[in-house]
Amino acid sequence: DADVTQTPRNRITKTGKRIMLECSQTKGHDRMYWYRQDPGLGLRLIYYSFDVKDINKGEISDGYSVSRQAQAKFSLSLESAIPNQTALYFCATSDNGIPGYTFGSGTRLTVV
Amino acid sequence: QQPVQSPQAVILREGEDAVINCSSSKALYSVHWYRQKHGEAPVFLMILLKGGEQKGHEKISASFNEKKQQSSLYLTASQLSYSGTYFCGTELVGTGANNLFFGTGTRLTVIP
Repeated sequence: DADVTQTPRNRITKTGKRIMLECSQTKGHDRMYWYRQDPGLGLRLIYYSFDVKDINKGEISDGYSVSRQAQAKFSLSLESAIPNQTALYFCATSDNGIPGYTFGSGTRLTVV
Repeated sequence: QQPVQSPQAVILREGEDAVINCSSSKALYSVHWYRQKHGEAPVFLMILLKGGEQKGHEKISASFNEKKQQSSLYLTASQLSYSGTYFCGTELVGTGANNLFFGTGTRLTVIP
């Protein structure tokens, strides 16, 4: 099994719908992140969490919300999806004092 | 806060060398380098910390010039397996967090 698992892998949804992307990890890391990747723009931080009770906004949090249900689970929600939220979404984890992020395989979201 | 990477793309023949640059307008605490193959998650290569150290990973090494807030990734005697998009991720001084701001990536293609 992958260390960081994202579900679903692909999703097509309609404008205005609520959608949740899920991330779970078996690394035992405290820190979890949500990024979106768009062609030519690289990876941009949406939200991050350093533990279950800690949630922080990133560069582009508008239109998104998150929930840290447990140390191992971090979900990203789009309350009312819009077409410019079409992107590849990555969840990542890291551990304090150990360098490097571990990324999940990504969720390709299309909003039509 | 997003670092600038150059070049945007480079094509090499097997055995040739390449340099990818990453620069920031902000003071950096660390620079991460990741490689992403098509359709896959980014994979951590190495981290450079303040102090101007140089690190190596097989035939891939990097340096960090903290005076210029720049890092360079050196790929020597390139192999077909080096193809992918390389991202730098920068951690800023004084943020109190290890959030990374990623560059837009450099697409490296190695041809036989």
